[in-house]
Amino acid sequence: DAKTTQPPSMDCAEGRAANLPCNHSTISGNEYVYWYRQIHSQGPQYIIHGLKNNETNEMASLIITEDRKSSTLILPHATLRDTAVYYCIVRAALGGTSYGKLTFGQGTILTVHP
Amino acid sequence: EAQVTQNPRYLITVTGKKLTVTCSQNMNHEYMSWYRQDPGLGLRQIYYSMNVEVTDKGDVPEGYKVSRKEKRNFPLILESPSPNQTSLYFCASSFGGSASSYNEQFFGPGTRLTVL
Repeated sequence: DAKTTQPPSMDCAEGRAANLPCNHSTISGNEYVYWYRQIHSQGPQYIIHGLKNNETNEMASLIITEDRKSSTLILPHATLRDTAVYYCIVRAALGGTSYGKLTFGQGTILTVHP
Repeated sequence: EAQVTQNPRYLITVTGKKLTVTCSQNMNHEYMSWYRQDPGLGLRQIYYSMNVEVTDKGDVPEGYKVSRKEKRNFPLILESPSPNQTSLYFCASSFGGSASSYNEQFFGPGTRLTVL
């Protein structure tokens, strides 16, 4: 799997958009970008994923650059409950040789302030 | 309720005493995986399984064993635990038996293991 690079920490004011960047410059054509978050020491929670098109769901939006070397997770109206560690990972589609092996990295600690 | 369960949730043991952490999922998922989480090191994959009787090493498999004899269960075995295996362990599962890109992982609540 391609490696990802994320800033170690970010701050955001409550009610504002939180934009979390991720670099994955070695991503290959069949690898998807996934985002998870972990609140305290709970099990990580899936947020969103994409291949090359921008994606949106009820939790967040994912913007992937045209060259796919980086992406941004957007929480449009951050709340205090969004304070968590956010992980960006890349994963091959089923059938890819590296499908099963995943590297989470250390993620970005997002702190949402009142 | 769709879920991944782990037992025990907390365990304190001594060096060399064999232990098993169980993981079970009720979502008929093909793929299952074990991770450990340590301060400053994030989540690191120990072993994963693509389906019954198919397992493979992750990034940190040393000192661990796994088995996948049935689809729903994926136990993590520490034959001779050592203090450096003190950690927070997570089990996860996802679909993976079809040609689909959608493979969100569902994580268990975690098992906090202390080896003295």
